[in-house]
Order: sequence, then structure tokens, then C-alpha cells
Amino acid sequence: GIQVEQSPPDLILQEGANSTLRCNFSDSVNNLQWFHQNPWGQLINLFYIPSGTKQNGRLSATTVATERYSLLYISSSQTTDSGVYFCAVDRIMIYNQGGKLIFGQGTELSVKP
Amino acid sequence: EAGVAQSPRYKIIEKRQSVAFWCNPISGHATLYWYQQILGQGPKLLIQFQNNGVVDDSQLPKDRFSAERLKGVDSTLKIQPAKLEDSAVYLCASSFARVASEAFFGQGTRLTVV
Repeated sequence: GIQVEQSPPDLILQEGANSTLRCNFSDSVNNLQWFHQNPWGQLINLFYIPSGTKQNGRLSATTVATERYSLLYISSSQTTDSGVYFCAVDRIMIYNQGGKLIFGQGTELSVKP
Repeated sequence: EAGVAQSPRYKIIEKRQSVAFWCNPISGHATLYWYQQILGQGPKLLIQFQNNGVVDDSQLPKDRFSAERLKGVDSTLKIQPAKLEDSAVYLCASSFARVASEAFFGQGTRLTVV
């Protein structure tokens, strides 16, 4: 099945710093989402971005589908950005199966005041 | 617009007991998913419904786990009997369509089996 690798696994930043999180995937996808899992465990949608670039405030994301990777940029980080960031992808398999999100292992971000 | 609703938020049971989780998806979403997230890992799909039919249950431990989505709206996931390794967060998600459609997650149910 499709493999999703995220890097780095852990990241510690000082408040105000910028960061880039990476997601590599092993096959063509028709869906890619970035999530932030808050300390209470809820997955918050950040971006639905199977290709191209999107921005939302201090966050932006770029997916280069032909090269099978996506990047999540966090600028001017705040302590509330702490948590685990997940990348998830899906592709349609043969015989019309699939359409399910496969998650990476996540990047745990800690922003210090 | 209301999000995906799940209950209960927390549950503690003894091993060999049974437990059930409930999920109400976003209105109009045909596809519903149950995921299991073990501490320190990414969520793993257990079962996927399209309306009231099962699309994928290949990762569901069918000897102890069952799920249904009657009338194609809300869904229940049951574990009977529970094992210690079932301790995890159980997440429900829904999407408008099965293909290339953004998925939204509920707050999850944290299960502890003692």
C-alpha cells in the first residue's frame, strides 16, 4: 500500500520562529490533507491540498504531486501551534477500492515561550 | 454547520467487557469512517461506509469489533470482548463523497481498558 513519511518526527521552536514540515508519499494521490491534533486529541483540518499552494494566515502549504511531497510552513510560531501535525493521503486503488486516508506518523511540534 | 459528533468522550472498562461508541456525521456526508489511534501513532482506518454499505473493513478485527450504519446516517462501533491492546482513541470522520473529498473528524472517544 501507499507509504507516508513525515519529517522531522519532533521539532522544538522558540516563539516567533518559522518552520517547515515535510510529507513524502510513495504513489500518486487524489487527496492530501494536513491536520493539527490539539492536546485534547481532536484533529483540526488545516489544508485540503492534493496539488498547488494554499495559505491561511500564518500557515501555508504546497503539494508537488508529480514529485510526491507536500510541505507545511508555519511562520511566526505561537505556543498555541504546539501539538502533532499529520499529513494524510488517499488514492483510488484498482477495482474501485480505496478513497480512505492513510496517515503519516506525524511531527510533534513544541513551541516555547 | 455542525461538525462530526461522537460520544462518549471517555470510557474506562475492564478487559473482557463490551463497549459501544456512537458517531453522527456532518449532515449530507455519504462517507463515514472509523479510525483507531494508538498513543504515539497516526490514526489507522478500521472501517469505511458509503451510505449504509461497507466499502472497506479489511483492518477491522472482526472477531471482536463490529460496526453498523443503519439508514446511512449515524453509526455505532462495538468492541466485545475488549482487550488491553484496544486502549486507544477512536475517531469518527465523514466526507461528502468517497473520492477526492475533504474528510472532517469528530473529537474522538478515548478508551482505556484495564
